[in-house]
Amino acid sequence: DAMVIQNPRYQVTQFGKPVTLSCSQTLNHNVMYWYQQKSSQAPKLLFHYYDKDFNNEADTPDNFQSRRPNTSFCFLDIRSPGLGDAAMYLCATSTEPGQVDYSNQPQHFGDGTRLSIL
Amino acid sequence: AQSVTQLDSQVPVFEEAPVELRCNYSSSVSVYLFWYVQYPNQGLQLLLKYLSGSTLVKGINGFEAEFNKSQTSFHLRKPSVHISDTAEYFCAVSGGTGFQKLVFGTGTRLLVSP
Repeated sequence: DAMVIQNPRYQVTQFGKPVTLSCSQTLNHNVMYWYQQKSSQAPKLLFHYYDKDFNNEADTPDNFQSRRPNTSFCFLDIRSPGLGDAAMYLCATSTEPGQVDYSNQPQHFGDGTRLSIL
Repeated sequence: AQSVTQLDSQVPVFEEAPVELRCNYSSSVSVYLFWYVQYPNQGLQLLLKYLSGSTLVKGINGFEAEFNKSQTSFHLRKPSVHISDTAEYFCAVSGGTGFQKLVFGTGTRLLVSP
């Protein structure tokens, strides 16, 4: 089945030690998103890629970076994780049917990576 | 700016009983509305969506929702719930010109007991 896969499911890192989370998709969708979800909260969009165009949310800390080397893969880099960055990180994809407005497309989510900071 | 309010943080219900999860939105433009479900330690899964047309929308797992523009609501309903419906449910809104991000509500935890 076509899907969105996140690795690893659980990641433990040390305070201040860089960490990378990965996401791959077999849906061939041109839009990919990264969300942060803290316990008992709604997902919060960090940034998204429209093809190779990177779109950062205004309130996303500089500590968070992203790379998309090709259509299938997207990475979330946290340069110096703090205790407040412990959360579930969700990757999602959507398609864009040839129109400028792709907000009406449903998003397909991976199962997330739960990040713990020691 | 768009916003979503889910008034109930938790809804307990007995198995086979009907349930309604409430969602109200605020937007100055045409909206697209979604309900997503999140099972423990999993990502979000789309239940249903309203883009335009018929105000009654049917989704997966027997859920349906009704778009009410005058009341700015998009409540989710199921006539008979199962234990397996226990999960977190998120209402979300987007819309407008260009890219508009999904704005999620704070979620409603549905607890189904025998």
